Amino acid sequence: DAKTTQPPSMDCAEGRAANLPCNHSTISGNEYVYWYRQIHSQGPQYIIHGLKNNETNEMASLIITEDRKSSTLILPHATLRDTAVYYCIVRANTGGFKTIFGAGTRLFVKA
Amino acid sequence: NAGVTQTPKFRILKIGQSMTLQCAQDMNHNYMYWYRQDPGMGLKLIYYSVGAGITDKGEVPNGYNVSRSTTEDFPLRLELAAPSQTSVYFCASTNQGFRVNTEAFFGQGTRLTVV
Repeated sequence: DAKTTQPPSMDCAEGRAANLPCNHSTISGNEYVYWYRQIHSQGPQYIIHGLKNNETNEMASLIITEDRKSSTLILPHATLRDTAVYYCIVRANTGGFKTIFGAGTRLFVKA
Repeated sequence: NAGVTQTPKFRILKIGQSMTLQCAQDMNHNYMYWYRQDPGMGLKLIYYSVGAGITDKGEVPNGYNVSRSTTEDFPLRLELAAPSQTSVYFCASTNQGFRVNTEAFFGQGTRLTVV
């Protein structure tokens, strides 16, 4: 699986959009971009994933650049409960979930 | 559905003791995984299983053993506990390794301290 690079921490004001970047310049054609988050040492929670098209669900939006070398997770209206560590993962759709979680981005949402 | 259930939530072990971390899932998932997470770090894969009777090593298997006698259960065994095994352990499961939309479900973790 391709390696990802994320900023170690970010701040966001409550009610504003949180934009979390991820670089994955070595991504292969069959690899998907997944985002998970981990709130206060709980188990990681799935947020969203995509291949090359932008994706949106009830939690977030995922914007993937045309060359697929980077992506941005957008939380449109961040709340205090969105304070967490966010992990960007790149993996193929085969071989189970033998994936590597990096250190992620620690997002602080402030009132 | 309960999802992925881990027991115990907390445990303190003395050096050299052994214990088994329990993990059970009720989603009939084929794949199950054990990760460890050290403070401020990401998750590292210890062992995984693609089905009952089949297990394989991940990144950091030394000091651990696993078994998978049923689809539901995937216990992690620590023999001769060492301080380096102080960590938070997460169990996870996925439906099928070859599906496109494979979402991993994680348990709430077991916080282990070896003193």
